[in-house]
Amino acid sequence: AQTVTQSQPEMSVQEAETVTLSCTYDTSESDYYLFWYKQPPSRQMILVIRQEAYKQQNATENRFSVNFQKAAKSFSLKISDSQLGDAAMYFCAYRSAFSSLYGGSQGNLIFGKGTKLSVKP
Amino acid sequence: EAQVTQNPRYLITVTGKKLTVTCSQNMNHEYMSWYRQDPGLGLRQIYYSMNVEVTDKGDVPEGYKVSRKEKRNFPLILESPSPNQTSLYFCASSSASPGAEKLFFGSGTQLSVL
Repeated sequence: AQTVTQSQPEMSVQEAETVTLSCTYDTSESDYYLFWYKQPPSRQMILVIRQEAYKQQNATENRFSVNFQKAAKSFSLKISDSQLGDAAMYFCAYRSAFSSLYGGSQGNLIFGKGTKLSVKP
Repeated sequence: EAQVTQNPRYLITVTGKKLTVTCSQNMNHEYMSWYRQDPGLGLRQIYYSMNVEVTDKGDVPEGYKVSRKEKRNFPLILESPSPNQTSLYFCASSSASPGAEKLFFGSGTQLSVL
């Protein structure tokens, strides 16, 4: 079974600085998707960024970028120019690219335990 | 508007009193899932469904039931709630097609069992 590990329960960053959140995963599958979700105090789950495993190029979305190391099974999130609105819980997640129809692992989304990010003004 | 609708948003109940949390999506998604979120434990999957009449257990199914009689609805049933089921619950859905990987989440249901 796949697992996702976030080793940093809490992180803190100064406003306008850069912070990196760590995520590692374990899988025997060759094709999959990786995600970072943000959960602000409103509890809403917001997709921040996603990465297809078959793509070598790291995904970027404005101030958010990832460092995807497939061989090391590592998927870290870098937030540049941190803003007060970035304060939230961040969850790393894994999803197989193959549904059960194609012999895959049902397409389930597996989450890490989360990292609480604080942004200091 | 494409959305996943969960109800209620907040629920306080007593031990043993059966309850149902509803979840409905308007995107014709095949895949639906329930998660519970607890501090320090992240989101753990309770049950999921790949299509109508197809459901399977996630990581923490004990004490919960689900049904998928219609494609749009995926209710979560607690037959005899206990205090350890106090948690924040999320329903989510997506297309089951490879490549259509984005999950849509409901707004969450905060459940307290006294």
